[in-house]
Amino acid sequence: EAGVAQSPRYKIIEKRQSVAFWCNPISGHATLYWYQQILGQGPKLLIQFQNNGVVDDSQLPKDRFSAERLKGVDSTLKIQPAKLEDSAVYLCASSRPRIRGGTDTQYFGPGTRLTVL
Amino acid sequence: AQSVAQPEDQVNVAEGNPLTVKCTYSVSGNPYLFWYVQYPNRGLQFLLKYITGDNLVKGSYGFEAEFNKSQTSFHLKKPSALVSDSALYFCAVREDSGNTPLVFGKGTRLSVIA
Repeated sequence: EAGVAQSPRYKIIEKRQSVAFWCNPISGHATLYWYQQILGQGPKLLIQFQNNGVVDDSQLPKDRFSAERLKGVDSTLKIQPAKLEDSAVYLCASSRPRIRGGTDTQYFGPGTRLTVL
Repeated sequence: AQSVAQPEDQVNVAEGNPLTVKCTYSVSGNPYLFWYVQYPNRGLQFLLKYITGDNLVKGSYGFEAEFNKSQTSFHLKKPSALVSDSALYFCAVREDSGNTPLVFGKGTRLSVIA
């Protein structure tokens, strides 16, 4: 089975510019997550979707970050405008919920490394 | 709120020797515990998890972890380390109920020396 796909793999922008990341989860995985991983730290959850609804976005800086999953499959994460401190790896993960025979195990994509200059 | 501590930033071990990467956790309810490995420029790869049942969990690539409820620990182990095991290892925890988020430790870098 194909894994979680993300693009682009790398992105360099200047502060105050906008950027968008794309994620395609594993087929059949209803739950999708976006994480931010700053160098030297563990991943931190930004937002969790169940199908196309938001389950948890309490850690998402909503003044500049937005995410959507309109058809319950692919998702995009946008930063507008970017700040220097947004430099990080943005990871997408997906899982199949327990109520649908899943195990809650999250499977991660390769990530997008964002550098803000 | 749940939390994870990985007390060692770096673990060095000689090839062929046993390795241990430490993890302790804190949750209000019952824990779901996970170990992930991250190679350079790659995403996180799932190694193993504890949900319920046997305290010794076996996972990918010969790794195993032991759940110890009294010590709130979930240490990752391998009987004989390989140079290819060198990577960044993350422990993560979530509560067993509802849609609580997965919380990660800061990671431990494992270096296996030939």
